Order: sequence, then structure tokens, then C-alpha cells
Amino acid sequence: EAQVTQNPRYLITVTGKKLTVTCSQNMNHEYMSWYRQDPGLGLRQIYYSMNVEVTDKGDVPEGYKVSRKEKRNFPLILESPSPNQTSLYFCASSPRTGARSYEQYFGPGTRLTVT
Amino acid sequence: AQTVTQSQPEMSVQEAETVTLSCTYDTSESNYYLFWYKQPPSRQMILVIRQEAYKQQNATENRFSVNFQKAAKSFSLKISDSQLGDTAMYFCAFMKPRGSQGNLIFGKGTKLSVKP
Repeated sequence: EAQVTQNPRYLITVTGKKLTVTCSQNMNHEYMSWYRQDPGLGLRQIYYSMNVEVTDKGDVPEGYKVSRKEKRNFPLILESPSPNQTSLYFCASSPRTGARSYEQYFGPGTRLTVT
Repeated sequence: AQTVTQSQPEMSVQEAETVTLSCTYDTSESNYYLFWYKQPPSRQMILVIRQEAYKQQNATENRFSVNFQKAAKSFSLKISDSQLGDTAMYFCAFMKPRGSQGNLIFGKGTKLSVKP
């Protein structure tokens, strides 16, 4: 089944404790992205990657890191989480060519709470 | 900078009836994509329909169709024969296909409730 997976789905952590949210897709998509969703603000892009070893900042990159060493994986790293990073996080991927180009497919979301 | 506005925070419709969700956007681009995403209570983001700006014909997907008015920068979603499973948040999104490819700009969403 074609899908984007994220782990963990739920995470409660404390301020300053480094964490990684993994994202993996099995559709051979070149493009991957991370978004955060907050009430009243909709979804906002954190980082994106056009392909392996190519990453760039989105609209709200502060406090986050990413890497793209393999095509299928795009982990989101919070080196020192703070309470304002409490949010619902989505990973997404899309092909860059073909009939479905630019259509982003989303993972199930990761609910992160930082206390 | 592109912006997307959904002016209806909440809407409701009776089962089997038709409802239209509004979306307007602001851009100076001539080539772009528009999308509607659905987010049911499960929180999964599901692509409903997409429209390429260079296509004059409105996109349709089964019970879902759009009214794309490029000059007015309007992109409304019509849901026909509404079903209980259509209850969800609906997000309109804009994307410029070049440069920062894939950076979806989302509206704040419309919460749709389908009542039996």
C-alpha cells in the first residue's frame, strides 16, 4: 500500500530533551515536506526537500532540523524542544513528474506535547 | 506573498443536500495549482480535488466539483449529495509549481458538519 508513515504518532516530552520524528514514504517521491498545524493558524511549512541531500527552509523553520540522506526518509529533529513547539506535525511527499505531480500525500500526523 | 482566505469558519448541511465552500486567494502568478484537502476527525489530510490554473475547465471528482474563477481569484468547492462521512475540516491550498515547489499555502479551514 502506497503511504507516508510517521513515528511516533503521539509524544509527550519535556523542554530541552532532543527528539526525532521519523517520516518514510514508499512511493519513490522526490519531494518531501514537514508541516505543523496549530488551531486558528492552519498548516504551515517547516522544511522541505526537493531530493536527496537537498533541503530548504519553509515558513517556520526556527527550532527544527531535517536531513534527507535517503529518498524515502525525511526525519524532523528538535534539538531542544520548547513548549511553543507543541503542535500537530505532518509529513508529506509528492512526485515531481507525471499525472500526479505536485499532489502532496500526507502522513497520519504526530501529536507532540512539550511541557 | 500568496495568501489564501476561507471566509466561512463553520458550515452545516443536511444529508443529501448540496453545499458550497468558498476560497479566495491572492497571487501575482499566472501558473499555479489549487487544491482542496479534507481533514476528518481522524486528522488525516486527504486530497479531495486539484485544479491547474492554466485549465479553464473546472475539475470534478465524483460528488466534488470546483468553480474556478481565475480573474476573480476564487476557488469554491461544491459537494453534492452530502454524506455523513463528509463531516470534516476542509482546507483550500495554493501552490506555485516553480521555485519553492510544493510549498502549499493553506487557508485556515472551514468546518463542515453534515446533519442526518
